[in-house]
Amino acid sequence: DGGITQSPKYLFRKEGQNVTLSCEQNLNHDAMYWYRQDPGQGLRLIYYSQIVNDFQKGDIAEGYSVSREKKESFPLTVTSAQKNPTAFYLCASSIDGGPGNTIYFGEGSWLTVV
Amino acid sequence: EDKVVQSPLSLVVHEGDTVTLNCSYEVTNFRSLLWYKQEKKAPTFLFMLTSSGIEKKSGRLSSILDKKELFSILNITATQTGDSAVYLCAFRGGNTGKLIFGQGTTLQVKP
Repeated sequence: DGGITQSPKYLFRKEGQNVTLSCEQNLNHDAMYWYRQDPGQGLRLIYYSQIVNDFQKGDIAEGYSVSREKKESFPLTVTSAQKNPTAFYLCASSIDGGPGNTIYFGEGSWLTVV
Repeated sequence: EDKVVQSPLSLVVHEGDTVTLNCSYEVTNFRSLLWYKQEKKAPTFLFMLTSSGIEKKSGRLSSILDKKELFSILNITATQTGDSAVYLCAFRGGNTGKLIFGQGTTLQVKP
């Protein structure tokens, strides 16, 4: 089945540790995105990539890093510099970055930092 | 600064009621407006609107965009308990494809 796979679904980490969230898609989409969602709030853009080996900061990139070495993969690292990392993280993709294309989401990853 | 505002933030209705969810936006380079339904996990796509006055319809759900007044509405008729979810409105501006989301409307449909 085609889709976007995020892993792990649930992750607990101690404060000060870096964690990496995986996002893989087999939709042959060029554009990929990472969003963060806090309780009772909408989604906020962390990073996005419109093509392999290229990515841009979103609205809340501080404390996060990404890579886009392969078209199908866009991992997100939550570093110890992120002040409040506990949140629901959503990966998404679209055919390309064009405004007429729908963005599809993965199932999300819950990160809890204790 | 571009922003999207949804109202109401939460809504409780009974099965069979009709609801209207609102989304207003202030953007510098509007390209499209999207509606998503989120039940616990991933948002699922409902509609994409690019032109004013053209209603998009899918079953009991419909949506329309007013580019002059800068708002969109999502209507759900004959609501069912399965419609309980967070409904997210997002606009897309510029050429990057990224979405700017509103805070969402939480809809609860009681039996």
